Amino acid sequence: DTGVSQDPRHKITKRGQNVTFRCDPISEHNRLYWYRQTLGQGPEFLTYFQNEAQLEKSRLLSDRFSAERPKGSFSTLEIQRTEQGDSAMYLCASSPPGGELFFGEGSRLTVL
Amino acid sequence: TQLLEQSPQFLSIQEGENLTVYCNSSSVFSSLQWYRQEPGEGPVLLVTVVTGGEVKKLKRLTFQFGDARKDSSLHITAAQPGDTGLYLCAEGTSGTYKYIFGTGTRLKVLA
Repeated sequence: DTGVSQDPRHKITKRGQNVTFRCDPISEHNRLYWYRQTLGQGPEFLTYFQNEAQLEKSRLLSDRFSAERPKGSFSTLEIQRTEQGDSAMYLCASSPPGGELFFGEGSRLTVL
Repeated sequence: TQLLEQSPQFLSIQEGENLTVYCNSSSVFSSLQWYRQEPGEGPVLLVTVVTGGEVKKLKRLTFQFGDARKDSSLHITAAQPGDTGLYLCAEGTSGTYKYIFGTGTRLKVLA
């Protein structure tokens, strides 16, 4: 296991479609985070998990966004009825207890 | 809501020059991390500072945490083109494990 992996790396979709991103964290890390980043900006917190429990969800996240981590391992982030404003890089990170964040390379979403 | 402001927003310098970028908060940091992000990749941790007044060095990079723990700076000596990237500060929110990132400083070092 060499790091956090995200899939797909790039997704182009039409407005109104649903998309799902997957994140596989470093295996021994119990915390998993999702961030959204637009060009030239810092990552914006979306949600995080400790094991399978979703501990916090940003108020910026509308009801169209949902994240799961069913067995405390991989996680999925689903966006329903995508809008052009959802176009961004979606970053996943994992961390061990009390440790630093290790980021994946991100999933870039373009909504046409 | 904790706000992290970074300055400058953009910086373009010649190879060999020195530079300092800043991270300021509206309230006291519990801890602060600095990351560097290159295009097409996720951020990578450079350093974590915890104690007010703390100074840490990483080769040509010097990180300082303000005495009041509301600000931090990153100084790069003799910048090189390999230092080019987006520099981000991030605060670990007290009582949770949520990390809030700053607005970022985009650095370009010209050869």
